[in-house]
Amino acid sequence: DVKVTQSSRYLVKRTGEKVFLECVQDMDHENMFWYRQDPGLGLRLIYFSYDVKMKEKGDIPEGYSVSREKKERFSLILESASTNQTSMYLCASSLVVAGGDEQFFGPGTRLTVL
Amino acid sequence: TQLLEQSPQFLSIQEGENLTVYCNSSSVFSSLQWYRQEPGEGPVLLVTVVTGGEVKKLKRLTFQFGDARKDSSLHITAAQPGDTGLYLCAGERSNTGKLIFGQGTTLQVKP
Repeated sequence: DVKVTQSSRYLVKRTGEKVFLECVQDMDHENMFWYRQDPGLGLRLIYFSYDVKMKEKGDIPEGYSVSREKKERFSLILESASTNQTSMYLCASSLVVAGGDEQFFGPGTRLTVL
Repeated sequence: TQLLEQSPQFLSIQEGENLTVYCNSSSVFSSLQWYRQEPGEGPVLLVTVVTGGEVKKLKRLTFQFGDARKDSSLHITAAQPGDTGLYLCAGERSNTGKLIFGQGTTLQVKP
């Protein structure tokens, strides 16, 4: 069964802290994504990776970076957390780059920055 | 910037009623997906439509992709409490695998 797991369901951090959100998929998918989800705004793409060590900025990359050292793992890093980064963060993976391929999502990490 | 406008954002109806959710854009998408998300979980794919004018049915759910591939609709017939959840449309940009999501429609079906 397809599975995307995220390291934490809930996280509380202080302003200025460095935050790591981890995502692991067990489907040998090439592509991995990080989104944030806010009420009334839907899901917005932060970063996208189509291969190990390859990454591409999404629509809202400011304040975030990513790391993909292994195919199954994609990390989102908040270098210096700010209160406006309080949100639900969703990781997803897909098999191929294009053609309407399904994205499989993890359960999300609800991050609160105080 | 491509945008996908989804409406309505909230819908509260009685069991047995019909409803339609719309997604509209001025941009053309190579495909359009509909996801459903339940509290505490990530979105799960319901359907992908690829061809302009395409209609797909999933039990009581009917999905349509506009002829120009700029808009889509989801119609639910005889809604049931189990249909309660957040429905999200997502358009694929230029065959890149990257999706733009609508704002979402929160559906509540009361028994």
